[in-house]
Amino acid sequence: QSALTQPASVSGSPGQSITISCTGTSSDIGYYDYVSWYQQHPGKTPKLIIYDVANRPSGVSSRFSGSKSGNSASLTISGLQADDEADYYCTSCHSTLYMVVGGGTRLTVL
Amino acid sequence: EVQILQSGGGSVQPGGSLRLSCTASGFTFSSQAMGWVRQAPGKGLEWVSTISFSGSDTFYTGSVKGRFTISRDNSKNTVYLQMNSLRVEDTAIYYCAKEIWYRFDYWGQGSLVTVSS
Repeated sequence: QSALTQPASVSGSPGQSITISCTGTSSDIGYYDYVSWYQQHPGKTPKLIIYDVANRPSGVSSRFSGSKSGNSASLTISGLQADDEADYYCTSCHSTLYMVVGGGTRLTVL
Repeated sequence: EVQILQSGGGSVQPGGSLRLSCTASGFTFSSQAMGWVRQAPGKGLEWVSTISFSGSDTFYTGSVKGRFTISRDNSKNTVYLQMNSLRVEDTAIYYCAKEIWYRFDYWGQGSLVTVSS
């Protein structure tokens, strides 16, 4: 069982927007702004797409956005494209465990 | 250009040992923390260990404490993960990554570790 809770799967049609949630506790997401999101295509290395809750690394599309409220964080992908189909993981700094990771969410573009 | 090259994976019997290596270039290695993340077959990501830029501070996930040791040689731009008392459940692809403020911004290609009798 992962320390952060994500839905196992989400889906959306091209052009639509989807949101993936990531629920933690007051010891991680609720306390720190060190929430990151990673995209992983099958058989590929994970790629950082959001850091510090809502910041995008250089080169990451503005269609990806992040937010946080209380003990939960969210990743929103707007204007869904076929290439967005992948697994998405959230991570957070933790007060005693150093870092915790979500179980991952499989995004299917219909 | 940042590059992270890994070596050292392979197959081992339960109770055995392996050492993974990770050599980085394209940034000031001695100023950056480094970490290891693993992914069991068909499963999600799991943070394993982190070492501070100087090597003075190390962190581990609970399931590997006392069995795995992370270290670094800044003169060689290399970080290591010594894995002892390996268990079947340690079977995974192990990724080495450059870490900055609890995020991994550059990743190695991954090293497959298989623990099986």
